[in-house]
Amino acid sequence: DARVTQTPRDKVTEMGQEVTMRCQPILGHNTVFWYRQTMMQGLELLAYFRNRAPLDDSGMPKDRFSAEMPDATLATLKIQPSEPRDSAVYFCASAANGGSPLHFGNGTRLTVT
Amino acid sequence: GENVEQHPSTLSVQEGDSAVIKCTYSDSASNYFPWYKQELGKRPQLIIDIRSNVGEKKDQRIAVTLNKTAKHFSLHITETQPEDSAVYFCAASRGASFGNEKLTFGTGTRLTIIP
Repeated sequence: DARVTQTPRDKVTEMGQEVTMRCQPILGHNTVFWYRQTMMQGLELLAYFRNRAPLDDSGMPKDRFSAEMPDATLATLKIQPSEPRDSAVYFCASAANGGSPLHFGNGTRLTVT
Repeated sequence: GENVEQHPSTLSVQEGDSAVIKCTYSDSASNYFPWYKQELGKRPQLIIDIRSNVGEKKDQRIAVTLNKTAKHFSLHITETQPEDSAVYFCAASRGASFGNEKLTFGTGTRLTIIP
């Protein structure tokens, strides 16, 4: 059963620190999404890539967030500097061309104190 | 952009009864409508989806209906069981490749099945 793998599972950090979250999409999936989930805002799309090219990052605060795909097996989401309002669960998800549904990873629970 | 509204936000039903969750969307170009189930502390998982050229789809106790004219779609769960307790999200997207176009999610419905 192929899965999207996210690390770390949990991250607690102090305000101002850099946070890096990593995602390994399902092998063969060419589209990778980053979603943020909070109680207040629900599931929000931050950014997504197709064939490693960024397609839309309009949901992401540009001053502190950055998303990249160094290669087809790794997507990263960085926050620098982190703030308490960034506390949320960050989900990576991937999908393939031609009718594949979206598969979510287990998420990274970020707490910024 | 797309806006998806979901109702109700919470729903409690007796075990064995049916549950219905409704969503409306704003983008008439949306053509793919999945439903995700999220148990506490876990990832959202797809339970059923429907494309715009279909009005209804069923999978055992779960069914989804779509009314493109009215821009709304609904999830129906029959013969509910305790393991159906979870948060359910509807979503919508446009594009020919379904899962790999960006999804806009509803705000979720917390379903509680009362034994």
